[in-house]
Amino acid sequence: DAKTTQPNSMESNEEEPVHLPCNHSTISGTDYIHWYRQLPSQGPEYVIHGLTSNVNNRMASLAIAEDRKSSTLILHRATLRDAAVYYCILRYGSSNTGKLIFGQGTTLQVKP
Amino acid sequence: GAVVSQHPSRVICKSGTSVKIECRSLDFQATTMFWYRQFPKQSLMLMATSNEGSKATYEQGVEKDKFLINHASLTLSTLTVTSAHPEDSSFYICSAPSGGLTDTQYFGPGTRLTVL
Repeated sequence: DAKTTQPNSMESNEEEPVHLPCNHSTISGTDYIHWYRQLPSQGPEYVIHGLTSNVNNRMASLAIAEDRKSSTLILHRATLRDAAVYYCILRYGSSNTGKLIFGQGTTLQVKP
Repeated sequence: GAVVSQHPSRVICKSGTSVKIECRSLDFQATTMFWYRQFPKQSLMLMATSNEGSKATYEQGVEKDKFLINHASLTLSTLTVTSAHPEDSSFYICSAPSGGLTDTQYFGPGTRLTVL
């Protein structure tokens, strides 16, 4: 599985945008970029995923570099409930039955 | 959205006993489920892939005789930690693919196992 690199931690102020970066320089053409987050003492939850084009949903936006070697998860207005560990994961192909291999992720702190 | 449940949410047991953890997909069927383990302040580590009607596939370094997995139906997978020891104390999490076009996986809330 191709590897991703994320900063260990980031801080944000409440109601401000947050940009969480992820580097994946060894990504292959068929790897999808997935983001999950894990709130304290809970299982992870799906945030967003994409292949080449930028993606938006109710939770966040995903900006993918043109060469696909990096991506950025954007939370438009951080709230205290967004404090979590955010994981950027590459997964082969479009099938959702494939396993997810988690890296260390980015711990996001949101300050009031 | 789809929901995956786990039972129990937390369990405390004595060393040497076996503990069974259930993972259920509540409103969808899952021919495949995944089991993860997470130690404090660490990331999730994939333990095994549970396959309905066939044997589980274990990741390298995970003892299959220690962690028994049974995927008896399309909505239920169980993980049994046999002869548990204090080093097996961890947060165990299962997940299931949602199916369809959404390409997401749904995770259970996790089971906190403490072995005394």
